[in-house]
Amino acid sequence: DAGITQSPRHKVTETGTPVTLRCHQTENHRYMYWYRQDPGHGLRLIHYSYGVKDTDKGEVSDGYSVSRSKTEDFLLTLESATSSQTSVYFCAITTKGRPTTSGRDEQFFGPGTRLTVL
Amino acid sequence: EDQVTQSPEALRLQEGESSSLNCSYTVSGLRGLFWYRQDPGKGPEFLFTLYSAGEEKEKERLKATLTKKESFLHITAPKPEDSATYLCAVHARGGSEKLVFGKGTKLTVNP
Repeated sequence: DAGITQSPRHKVTETGTPVTLRCHQTENHRYMYWYRQDPGHGLRLIHYSYGVKDTDKGEVSDGYSVSRSKTEDFLLTLESATSSQTSVYFCAITTKGRPTTSGRDEQFFGPGTRLTVL
Repeated sequence: EDQVTQSPEALRLQEGESSSLNCSYTVSGLRGLFWYRQDPGKGPEFLFTLYSAGEEKEKERLKATLTKKESFLHITAPKPEDSATYLCAVHARGGSEKLVFGKGTKLTVNP
């Protein structure tokens, strides 16, 4: 599982409240990602990070911000949650630049956070 | 725009009935094609990465192949525990680290 944990695993909140999801990894990987997964859409990239304080937008970044002040933690913040942000959120890492069983890049996912915005 | 289409959306097999899942893609230069398995309520589990046309990889009853336009995930003599959603994703050349995912194929294997 590449040492990826996500917290909280489940959260119910109300429209308009701020929400922060945390992704923590223990193997010092440089690249980290946040995805959301919705029925009929599959996995879509929200933001990703290629190092401490280095982040970039994905295809569905509106309404989300991220921060990475330490290699091991990548935070996803919904400044003012909306019902359209009800989803399952996954964090992932890529083994870019590291030895792997396949010899090249591999991407591993965390267990997910189920967020419901009422 | 990079796109990934998986078919069928759902597939129901009897135990031991071999079949294939399809992942067709359009991408501006393929850096890698990934296959994942996802069980309900869990994160995707990495299966394979394929990098060039003609490449094949195997793991137990699964075999992934790649051409210039599509990839197949062949399942030989499946068991009920192979039931899951199988996801395909592409990584395009150009420096971005983004993966583009298909919507998945939900496989059910009946005993």
